[in-house]
Amino acid sequence: DVKVTQSSRYLVKRTGEKVFLECVQDMDHENMFWYRQDPGLGLRLIYFSYDVKMKEKGDIPEGYSVSREKKERFSLILESASTNQTSMYLCASSRRGQGPYEQYFGPGTRLTVT
Amino acid sequence: AQTVTQSQPEMSVQEAETVTLSCTYDTSENNYYLFWYKQPPSRQMILVIRQEAYKQQNATENRFSVNFQKAAKSFSLKISDSQLGDTAMYFCASRNSNAGGTSYGKLTFGQGTILTVHP
Repeated sequence: DVKVTQSSRYLVKRTGEKVFLECVQDMDHENMFWYRQDPGLGLRLIYFSYDVKMKEKGDIPEGYSVSREKKERFSLILESASTNQTSMYLCASSRRGQGPYEQYFGPGTRLTVT
Repeated sequence: AQTVTQSQPEMSVQEAETVTLSCTYDTSENNYYLFWYKQPPSRQMILVIRQEAYKQQNATENRFSVNFQKAAKSFSLKISDSQLGDTAMYFCASRNSNAGGTSYGKLTFGQGTILTVHP
């Protein structure tokens, strides 16, 4: 059974804290993605990675960074959390290639920044 | 850039009836893929159905089918014989089949439609 796991389901942090969200997949996928999900806005891509140590900015990268040191693990870092980063964060992975490969999603981390 | 629009924030349907969720998209590409994902309450997002733009035949998966109108850039999802377990948020998404040769597989999502199935 394919699986994408995220380190926390719920997280509460204070403004200015450094926050790490971790994602692990067991499907040997090349691609990994971080999204944030906000009501009325759908899912917006923050960063993605197509290989180890490779990353590309998505649509809303400001205030975030990522790290991918191993193929199975993709971390999202909030360098200095702010209240406008309160959101649901979803990680996903997929095969790399031109086919209609689906993305497999983790359960999400609901982050609250106070 | 691709855009995906879901104009129905919320829909409801009675159990066993049929409901159609709307989605329109915009792309300058000729080859692309379209997807519907389902996010049940407090559960992980899963793929419902996918369509390859070069295929004229509408995709079907059991009770789920799509109406793909390429010229109109419309991709609606029809759920037949609705069940209580269909209650979820549904997202329409698109991606190019070849993202500049690198095939990163980036998806562009719509805003989502919350579907409630009533007993």
